[in-house]
Amino acid sequence: SQTIHQWPATLVQPVGSPLSLECTVEGTSNPNLYWYRQAAGRGLQLLFYSVGIGQISSEVPQNLSASRPQDRQFILSSKKLLLSDSGFYLCAWRPQMSEQFFGPGTRLTVL
Amino acid sequence: EDQVTQSPEALRLQEGESSSLNCSYTVSGLRGLFWYRQDPGKGPEFLFTLYSAGEEKEKERLKATLTKKESFLHITAPKPEDSATYLCAVQPSSGKFYFGSGTKLNVKP
Repeated sequence: SQTIHQWPATLVQPVGSPLSLECTVEGTSNPNLYWYRQAAGRGLQLLFYSVGIGQISSEVPQNLSASRPQDRQFILSSKKLLLSDSGFYLCAWRPQMSEQFFGPGTRLTVL
Repeated sequence: EDQVTQSPEALRLQEGESSSLNCSYTVSGLRGLFWYRQDPGKGPEFLFTLYSAGEEKEKERLKATLTKKESFLHITAPKPEDSATYLCAVQPSSGKFYFGSGTKLNVKP
């Protein structure tokens, strides 16, 4: 069966510090991968999606970036965090022509 | 413009009191409508996919229905463990996913 992992589960970072969040998927190959951000009481905002290694599409211009160095690994990064980057970050994977399945999420607090 | 609206924002029910959650959508060519359950501090858990008007799916106390403009998530005789935020998402012909802001359900014993 397929499993999706996110690391770390929680993170507290100062403004201006770098960020790296990791997402890995097990039990499947060539999945579509997604990064979402969820603000308190709001819906999911799509940040990036990837259909293959090295292929990244950005949905929202901001100080975040994403990379997909391996088929089942998706990384969300920032060089300098802003207060507004605080939120709940969710990684999702999707088999071809199907629904999305979400990871457990990372709670990021920027102080 | 593709968009999804969920109502109500919050719903409080007594245990056993059946009700429905609404998901209204405006999209260009619906590929699929999805329902998720999200517990506090956790990722959304997939519940159902609906593809065409008239389709219905059931799982335990939950039943999802779909028309050309909206979907309902019916909860029959809810229990406290059904308390969660329920998210609706649509996938139009563009292939992207659009999520509603959710309905927070609280079932009191």
